[in-house]
Amino acid sequence: DSGVTQTPKHLITATGQRVTLRCSPRSGDLSVYWYQQSLDQGLQFLIQYYNGEERAKGNILERFSAQQFPDLHSELNLSSLELGDSALYFCASSVVKGAVWGTQYFGPGTRLTVL
Amino acid sequence: LAKTTQPISMDSYEGQEVNITCSHNNIATNDYITWYQQFPSQGPRFIIQGYKTKVTNEVASLFIPADRKSSTLSLPRVSLSDTAVYYCLVGARNNAGNMLTFGGGTRLMVKP
Repeated sequence: DSGVTQTPKHLITATGQRVTLRCSPRSGDLSVYWYQQSLDQGLQFLIQYYNGEERAKGNILERFSAQQFPDLHSELNLSSLELGDSALYFCASSVVKGAVWGTQYFGPGTRLTVL
Repeated sequence: LAKTTQPISMDSYEGQEVNITCSHNNIATNDYITWYQQFPSQGPRFIIQGYKTKVTNEVASLFIPADRKSSTLSLPRVSLSDTAVYYCLVGARNNAGNMLTFGGGTRLMVKP
């Protein structure tokens, strides 16, 4: 158990809909990361938040957005869903060292299925 | 654009040493290299992290040459339970600034 929790575990929805994925980081970790894992794209970095502020951005679509709240939990919002958004979504957290990243510990993931 | 590449798959036998290499030619100057293990439908699990030369912990060693453009994960005496996908993760710079890049993953099959 990494100490990172994600809810829900599974989510099934229809095209065009909007969903919210939730992540609680490990105790003491200020940084949260979101990743998408699909069969054809592998593990893709989406976005990082540090203590409530966006810190780095990866391959995140404009239909997707995230935020980190004062209690440090984070939410990933996916809107106007398409079939291709079906994937595993992972959250990770870290204590940031130095200028950039820290050792990231991953949650169990949310499996999103868009029908 | 930063590209992080690994062999797609490797086979080994129980008790052998396995070495998996990751190429990361655009790694950021101040960034670390991290390796993860992933089982089906689970989150990646941290194995080892290093910046340069050699790092060893209770499960693996990590070798990083001076130019840091590659790294090699070494798993001593693998067992059947080490059958999994192994990923390297590095930070790199692209036009948008800093970003994290996973290798495509190496599927390790350990046979009895």
